[in-house]
Amino acid sequence: DTGVSQDPRHKITKRGQNVTFRCDPISEHNRLYWYRQTLGQGPEFLTYFQNEAQLEKSRLLSDRFSAERPKGSFSTLEIQRTEQGDSAMYLCASSFQGLFTGELFFGEGSRLTVL
Amino acid sequence: GIQVEQSPPDLILQEGANSTLRCNFSDSVNNLQWFHQNPWGQLINLFYIPSGTKQNGRLSATTVATERYSLLYISSSQTTDSGVYFCAVGRGAGKSTFGDGTTLTVKP
Repeated sequence: DTGVSQDPRHKITKRGQNVTFRCDPISEHNRLYWYRQTLGQGPEFLTYFQNEAQLEKSRLLSDRFSAERPKGSFSTLEIQRTEQGDSAMYLCASSFQGLFTGELFFGEGSRLTVL
Repeated sequence: GIQVEQSPPDLILQEGANSTLRCNFSDSVNNLQWFHQNPWGQLINLFYIPSGTKQNGRLSATTVATERYSLLYISSSQTTDSGVYFCAVGRGAGKSTFGDGTTLTVKP
C-alpha cells in the first residue's frame, strides 16, 4: 500500500511564472485535501474534494489558485502568476471519510520557492 | 472557525525525560489528530483521538472532548523524538485546523 505521493518535491520558479503540483492520494480514499505551510506556522487549509467535487475553498485560495480532481483520482493545484508570498510548502492529504470523521494521511509535500 | 492553541511553544529536554504537550480547542470537534513533523517536512501520524486515551509504545494521548483539550505524553524521550508536534482538529466533514505546534528538542 503506497501512501500519498506528491510531485514535484521541490520547485524553484521566477515571479510571474505558473506552477502546477500533483497529488496522488491513497487509492481507496474518497477525500483529498490541500494545505499550505509557511515557516514557523502550522498547515493552513486551502481546499478539499470528495471524489471529484470540490466542496470547500478557503479564502486563502485567491483567484490565482485553482485545484482540480478529475475523475476523483489524482489532484492538481495550479498557481498562476506566482508571487514571492506564494513561497511555502504545499501539502496534500487524503482520508476515507465517514459521515463526519476520518483520519488524514499526508504526503511529503511540495516546496515552492518563488524568486 | 475553531481556534487551536498548543503549549508550550518550545520544549527542551534531556534524553530520558518525560514530557506533556497540550492542545486546547475552542469548540466541539469530531476529529482530532496528533502529528510529528520530520526534518524533511512530512507530517507523520501519531494518534487519531477525538476522545479517550490511546497508547503506542512510549507515546500516549488523551482527549477530554467535553473540556476541549488533548494531551500528548512522551516518556523516556530520545533524540529522535525531536521535531515539531502538531495538533489538528475538525468538526464534521471538511477542513481540519492546526495549531502552531510545539517544537521539541531532546538533547543527548
